[in-house]
Amino acid sequence: DTGVSQDPRHKITKRGQNVTFRCDPISEHNRLYWYRQTLGQGPEFLTYFQNEAQLEKSRLLSDRFSAERPKGSFSTLEIQRTEQGDSAMYLCASGKEASYGYTFGSGTRLTVV
Amino acid sequence: DQQVKQNSPSLSVQEGRISILNCDYTNSMFDYFLWYKKYPAEGPTFLISISSIKDKNEDGRFTVFLNKSAKHLSLHIVPSQPGDSAVYFCAASGVNNQGGKLIFGQGTELSVKP
Repeated sequence: DTGVSQDPRHKITKRGQNVTFRCDPISEHNRLYWYRQTLGQGPEFLTYFQNEAQLEKSRLLSDRFSAERPKGSFSTLEIQRTEQGDSAMYLCASGKEASYGYTFGSGTRLTVV
Repeated sequence: DQQVKQNSPSLSVQEGRISILNCDYTNSMFDYFLWYKKYPAEGPTFLISISSIKDKNEDGRFTVFLNKSAKHLSLHIVPSQPGDSAVYFCAASGVNNQGGKLIFGQGTELSVKP
């Protein structure tokens, strides 16, 4: 197992465009998390899934953001009508139910110009 | 509303000495705490954790101490090594939230000098 994989590693987009990120978790992990990290800050929780069910969403996840995990395996995070304030590192993590320690991927760095 | 705070953005320590990283929290409902380490261009890596029913947990060179009355935890690294140079985040989880979201501090960048 190669760990948590995120694609792409970097994304530069123009303001107003839509972007989609993909996360492939560790195969035996049934929970998948999305976090966002900006410079000088720790990761901020966005949402998480148990299998295909989205169990919790942060207030940070505006209606421009949507996440899916259609078959309980990989997940996608889409940002519509991107804004400069969306520029950040988007981190995906996976873990097992009832286990606190996640495994993070290397992240997707989004730059909105 | 920063529920988990790491007030020292950076820390510099000589190789072989002790590194002490501090973390404060405001929510008394947090019941599990974790430390993550992050190298540049990589995601955070889980390091060590502690349940609120304990006041100390040790794993090799790493020890985490929890002072619930002060809402304070600390990570001790002894002896410090140059490879420990990284950003360290503390994180907290709430009651009945096992396996759910974590609240992270802002991070402390540790530099261990040879």
